[in-house]
Amino acid sequence: QVQLQESGPGLVKPSETLSLTCTVSGGSISSYYWSWIRQPPGKGLEWIGYIFYSGSTSYNPSLKSRVTISLDTSKNQFSLKLSSVTAADTAVYYCARLSRAYFDSWGQGSLVTVSS
Amino acid sequence: DIQMTQSPSSLSASVGDRVTITCRASQSISTYLNWYQQKPGKAPKLLIYAASSLESGVPSKFSGSGSGTDFTLTISSLQPEDFATYFCQQSYSTPYTFGQGTKLEIK
Repeated sequence: QVQLQESGPGLVKPSETLSLTCTVSGGSISSYYWSWIRQPPGKGLEWIGYIFYSGSTSYNPSLKSRVTISLDTSKNQFSLKLSSVTAADTAVYYCARLSRAYFDSWGQGSLVTVSS
Repeated sequence: DIQMTQSPSSLSASVGDRVTITCRASQSISTYLNWYQQKPGKAPKLLIYAASSLESGVPSKFSGSGSGTDFTLTISSLQPEDFATYFCQQSYSTPYTFGQGTKLEIK
């Protein structure tokens, strides 16, 4: 059974770049689509984007100018970079596997706070 | 973007009850509709995909129906572990979008 685990700093300063990595175990990253989703405290879920194992990407237009998702197949990892962060980017960030058309496996989530 | 609207936003029910949550899309999404359960401090868990298909390992007390713009999630015989927040999500087109959630509480 595939497992996902997010890692990265829990505190980022305003205007800096948020960086998170998702490590996939129990299965190869060289198939499926791999996604990032976030959830501000007490609020709903927002899809950030996905990357296919071939390297093709799709991003939410609301974040597209600030987001980069990349893949490292040798480490079975994919990563998120979100630039020019503000307090509005404070959220729990989840990585997830997109299987066909649904998110069937999720990481446990990583809280990232944007504050000076 | 396709807007997903759930109703109600919160719901109080008793153990043993049967409840229904509704999700409406701002345009037709065929059956590209998924349901998730989220408990406090945990990641969402897939329950239903493609509107009515039960994810492996999910109890048959959960069922989904609908197509086009109107969908429902029904939970029969509520147990204490079912009290959680439920989200719908469309995968018809990007950006994928979620409903605002329905918090199911114990009466």
